[in-house]
Amino acid sequence: DTEVTQTPKHLVMGMTNKKSLKCEQHMGHRAMYWYKQKAKKPPELMFVYSYEKLSINESVPSRFSPECPNSSLLNLHLHALQPEDSALYLCASSQGGRGSNQPQHFGDGTRLSIL
Amino acid sequence: DAKTTQPTSMDCAEGRAANLPCNHSTISGNEYVYWYRQIHSQGPQYIIHGLKNNETNEMASLIITEDRKSSTLILPHATLRDTAVYYCLGGSYGKLTFGQGTILTVHP
Repeated sequence: DTEVTQTPKHLVMGMTNKKSLKCEQHMGHRAMYWYKQKAKKPPELMFVYSYEKLSINESVPSRFSPECPNSSLLNLHLHALQPEDSALYLCASSQGGRGSNQPQHFGDGTRLSIL
Repeated sequence: DAKTTQPTSMDCAEGRAANLPCNHSTISGNEYVYWYRQIHSQGPQYIIHGLKNNETNEMASLIITEDRKSSTLILPHATLRDTAVYYCLGGSYGKLTFGQGTILTVHP
């Protein structure tokens, strides 16, 4: 069982829809992350939040909009996605800020399909 | 960011030690070596990490060469449940770069 909870587990949406992915952790971690994983490929870092502030944006298209409302929650807002955005979206968290080099703990992801 | 090179796949007999190598010759001085594994349809699971010294925990041991250009993950007694993709990563300040990983298959 993972201590990082992601909802929903599966999401199907059209290219004109707006939806959000949610990630929650109650381990007191102060760094949170979004990754994208295509089938049979390794995860790729998208965003890093450290102490609730955006710290890293890996040149992600603006149709993906992250939000960190508080230290336990991380959202990823989706708008006008393309079929190639279909993937597994993984959330992770780590103790301390991103500079602590503590290991990241991952959720089981949201599997997103764009029609 | 450190680039890592791992064998595409490896086999191991159940009950035997699995030794997974990783080359990270471009790793910088402040980058840690992390190992994760991923079982189908689950998120990556943290195994172990280290900077310079060898490390051991309840899951595995990590042997890092003195020049830090390579490392080996050791699963001392592999079970069928250890079948997974194993990723070796270099990273620091929260930025992890996953390589292609090694598919480890443990067979009876």
